[in-house]
Amino acid sequence: SQELEQSPQSLIVQEGKNLTINCTSSKTLYGLYWYKQKYGEGLIFLMMLQKGGEEKSHEKITAKLDEKKQQSSLHITASQPSHAGIYLCGAHYNTDKLIFGTGTRLQVFP
Amino acid sequence: KAGVTQTPRYLIKTRGQQVTLSCSPISGHRSVSWYQQTPGQGLQFLFEYFSETQRNKGNFPGRFSGRQFSNSRSEMNVSTLELGDSALYLCASLRGGARGETQYFGPGTRLLVL
Repeated sequence: SQELEQSPQSLIVQEGKNLTINCTSSKTLYGLYWYKQKYGEGLIFLMMLQKGGEEKSHEKITAKLDEKKQQSSLHITASQPSHAGIYLCGAHYNTDKLIFGTGTRLQVFP
Repeated sequence: KAGVTQTPRYLIKTRGQQVTLSCSPISGHRSVSWYQQTPGQGLQFLFEYFSETQRNKGNFPGRFSGRQFSNSRSEMNVSTLELGDSALYLCASLRGGARGETQYFGPGTRLLVL
């Protein structure tokens, strides 16, 4: 079973629209990472959330961590074609290795 | 500062062969982790090396092995290749490898097994 589930699996939005991607953990979270991946390329670090209630923003991307719900959300405001890609959440559990979510593929059309 | 580099970027092999992939971490980083990414299984952890020692290992068969050199460069080897080993192999670099540190990823090596 997957420890980190992301929803939706796929998202197609029109440029300028807002969107939210969710990442839900089946176990207690000790911190959560968000990465973006262009198809077939490496992962680009977006942000890391360590404390419950923590919220971070980078340009038009905001991520929040809800420790009680064991969930994180990634919100993109006024989406642009440059936001297209695969968004992955990752978390540490009882080891130092990073476990990744199932991924959300985002397409932004003009 | 140079990022994480992986060589080669693309590789085509046939079943039964073996392959060696290389990863050079960011200067000053001592930990390297390896991941396999496939459409069906997503991104899965292979193993992590810190100061030339394997510190963590994922659930992969013994055909997958790795090592790290004194300059922190790491190699992973896959012996007796199978069709299912076709994947994007990513390595990530960390300064000390502690929980809470950011992992910086390389561009990946795309392996195709025919």
